[in-house]
Amino acid sequence: SQTIHQWPATLVQPVGSPLSLECTVEGTSNPNLYWYRQAAGRGLQLLFYSVGIGQISSEVPQNLSASRPQDRQFILSSKKLLLSDSGFYLCAWIRVPFGTEAFFGQGTRLTVV
Amino acid sequence: TQLLEQSPQFLSIQEGENLTVYCNSSSVFSSLQWYRQEPGEGPVLLVTVVTGGEVKKLKRLTFQFGDARKDSSLHITAAQPGDTGLYLCAGENAGGTSYGKLTFGQGTILTVHP
Repeated sequence: SQTIHQWPATLVQPVGSPLSLECTVEGTSNPNLYWYRQAAGRGLQLLFYSVGIGQISSEVPQNLSASRPQDRQFILSSKKLLLSDSGFYLCAWIRVPFGTEAFFGQGTRLTVV
Repeated sequence: TQLLEQSPQFLSIQEGENLTVYCNSSSVFSSLQWYRQEPGEGPVLLVTVVTGGEVKKLKRLTFQFGDARKDSSLHITAAQPGDTGLYLCAGENAGGTSYGKLTFGQGTILTVHP
């Protein structure tokens, strides 16, 4: 069965420090991968998506970047965190074109102080 | 940009009551999904509806997709404290190359009191 791993679960980082969140998927190949941000337990904002290795699409301009070095690995990064980067970050995969249901990781609660 | 308006944003009810959550848009969606999320965890898929007018039941939960595939509703019968959580609707963009991108509603925070 397919599983998605996301870590760390919580992170407290000072303003100006770098960020690296990692997401890996097991049990599937060629997944579409997504990074979402969720503010205060509300709706999800799509940040980046990737349809393959090295292919990244950005949905909103921001202080973050994403990379996909391997088929089942998706990384969210920042060189210098801002206070406004605080939030709940979720990684998800969708097995397009076999369906559009999204399967989410456990999420990372990032607090920038 | 396709938008999904979800209502109500907050719902606080007593155990045993019924409730309905709505998800509306001016855009047509190929499919629409409902997710439930608990604090500190990722959303979990409840159901996907694909056909206009489709109705799906999951125990005490009834999901309906509008005839025009622009809206959906989630109805819970005899709510229980275990139903407490954030309910999210999400639509798959219709037409074009969407790469499986989903548009999410803002969510409904449901609290069921014993």
